[in-house]
Amino acid sequence: GAVVSQHPSWVICKSGTSVKIECRSLDFQATTMFWYRQFPKQSLMLMATSNEGSKATYEQGVEKDKFLINHASLTLSTLTVTSAHPEDSSFYICSARDLYGQETQYFGPGTRLLVL
Amino acid sequence: GENVEQHPSTLSVQEGDSAVIKCTYSDSASNYFPWYKQELGKGPQLIIDIRSNVGEKKDQRIAVTLNKTAKHFSLHITETQPEDSAVYFCAAVSREYGNKLVFGAGTILRVKS
Repeated sequence: GAVVSQHPSWVICKSGTSVKIECRSLDFQATTMFWYRQFPKQSLMLMATSNEGSKATYEQGVEKDKFLINHASLTLSTLTVTSAHPEDSSFYICSARDLYGQETQYFGPGTRLLVL
Repeated sequence: GENVEQHPSTLSVQEGDSAVIKCTYSDSASNYFPWYKQELGKGPQLIIDIRSNVGEKKDQRIAVTLNKTAKHFSLHITETQPEDSAVYFCAAVSREYGNKLVFGAGTILRVKS
């Protein structure tokens, strides 16, 4: 149980284009999902908290117009990187918190983004 | 806000030996402490967690201990195997910080066969 999927697993795009990443909780409902970014050999950095049916809450220093988050259902959240640039290249990971699981977060497999 | 420090940054052990990774946290209101294992190119996998009302928890070869007074918690892996090689992250959750995970910097564990 507690499986989280992400799609796509990797994506290469040209500078200036937008990329959408999906995060799904497969066997549980998640009122809250989180989006992280991880650079090589570093820890996970929280970008934003996504709540179903409401606006996402962004961490300090994360541009909300650059990283659009939509959490339209209890099993799906999407992250759109708008007008991507090479510095946006990173490993993006989502996590989901079970409706009844209090603090426990289950992570997806991650999406590798490379912007050329 | 919460701050989590993790040591060591790298750890090499011989197969069959034990490995111990230690973390300290700053916020006394933190009440949940998960440990994640991350293999190369994959997302973190929850391997064990402990809540503040418990001092120790064990799951087969993995155990976690928590000392609330000293504000530190540790991961213990016994009888290590090559497949235990990965990056391990500790984390702390504080309700005062919106129940968000605050991660340590990570420990690269290498198990030599």
